[in-house]
Amino acid sequence: KAGVTQTPRYLIKTRGQQVTLSCSPISGHRSVSWYQQTPGQGLQFLFEYFSETQRNKGNFPGRFSGRQFSNSRSEMNVSTLELGDSALYLCASSPGPANNEQFFGPGTRLTVL
Amino acid sequence: QKEVEQDPGPLSVPEGAIVSLNCTYSNSAFQYFMWYRQYSRKGPELLMYTYSSGNKEDGRFTAQVDKSSKYISLFIRDSQPSDSATYLCAMSPNAGGTSYGKLTFGQGTILTVHP
Repeated sequence: KAGVTQTPRYLIKTRGQQVTLSCSPISGHRSVSWYQQTPGQGLQFLFEYFSETQRNKGNFPGRFSGRQFSNSRSEMNVSTLELGDSALYLCASSPGPANNEQFFGPGTRLTVL
Repeated sequence: QKEVEQDPGPLSVPEGAIVSLNCTYSNSAFQYFMWYRQYSRKGPELLMYTYSSGNKEDGRFTAQVDKSSKYISLFIRDSQPSDSATYLCAMSPNAGGTSYGKLTFGQGTILTVHP
């Protein structure tokens, strides 16, 4: 069974631009969560989607948004990029709703210049 | 104070040693406990997933949960150089809660196993 895939793997943007990251969950998984990983803050929860609905949101500004499609694929968007948004963005999928074993993708490394 | 505390290390051990990794937590709502391994520039890999207090063994790995002390551990027996990675503990509340799908992570412990 194929794992979680994320595209693109690497991205370089400049301040003020916006970016969209994509995540395809493991086949049959209905829940997708997004996390930001930085050396200083570690892994921090962004949001979680289940059946196209955002179930949970972390403490990030409104510039960070996401959505989930009917095939469980998910995208996250960051608008008006800031230097501090440089990070590894990780997507995780789980079977849901009563099983939250989360399996991570390889991540998208975003660099904001 | 962070909800989950994990000693960042770094931890350096000789090949064959028993490694003990630990996390403490303050939120009594946490009911599910996980350990992940992350190699450099890769995504975290799920190693262990536990719910109840007690021990769970999988090959060379043993996860231990003590809910009364709010303390979890991961033991690695016969450590190998290929075990060199960052180990992250993660936790989530019980099913049905609004934060069920949210994992709260420790800072990660950097482990090096030298030949």
